[in-house]
Amino acid sequence: DSGVTQTPKHLITATGQRVTLRCSPRSGDLSVYWYQQSLDQGLQFLIQYYNGEERAKGNILERFSAQQFPDLHSELNLSSLELGDSALYFCASSVDQGLRVTDTQYFGPGTRLTVL
Amino acid sequence: GQQVMQIPQYQHVQEGEDFTTYCNSSTTLSNIQWYKQRPGGHPVFLIQLVKSGEVKKQKRLTFQFGEAKKNSSLHITATQTTDVGTYFCRNSGGYQKVTFGTGTKLQVIP
Repeated sequence: DSGVTQTPKHLITATGQRVTLRCSPRSGDLSVYWYQQSLDQGLQFLIQYYNGEERAKGNILERFSAQQFPDLHSELNLSSLELGDSALYFCASSVDQGLRVTDTQYFGPGTRLTVL
Repeated sequence: GQQVMQIPQYQHVQEGEDFTTYCNSSTTLSNIQWYKQRPGGHPVFLIQLVKSGEVKKQKRLTFQFGEAKKNSSLHITATQTTDVGTYFCRNSGGYQKVTFGTGTKLQVIP
């Protein structure tokens, strides 16, 4: 158990819909990262938040957005869903005390999104 | 932007054989980390390498950082079925954006 929680575990929805994925980082971790992993694919970095502010952006679509709240939990919002958005979405957290740090990432169990 | 490639993409080995995966970056890495993802699981941190030419061992696993800090390798001696999974490298530290390698999927045949 990494200490990172994600809800829900599974989500089945239809094309065009909007969903929200939730992540609670490990206690004390200030950074939250979101990744997308399609079937048998690698980890695509989407976005990183640090202490409530966006720190870095990866290959995140305009239909996707995220935020980190004052209690440090984060939400990833996916809208106008397409079949190709079906994937495993991981959240990870790290202590991240500054910019030049060795930031070991602790991953949550993931949310499996299926778009029908 | 920075790219981190891993080879091979897939590897099937007989139990007891050795296995090596290589991680190559287009730019110099500050540090490198290795993660393992079991089938149906999430990535789990294995180790971090910081210094040029650094070698670290964890039981049957040997991790190496290249002298130029642009490549790394993970070698498993005498594979076991518990080694099955996908191994990822990623850049760490510095001001670089998070980049995970493409991953190497290891299958161990008993």
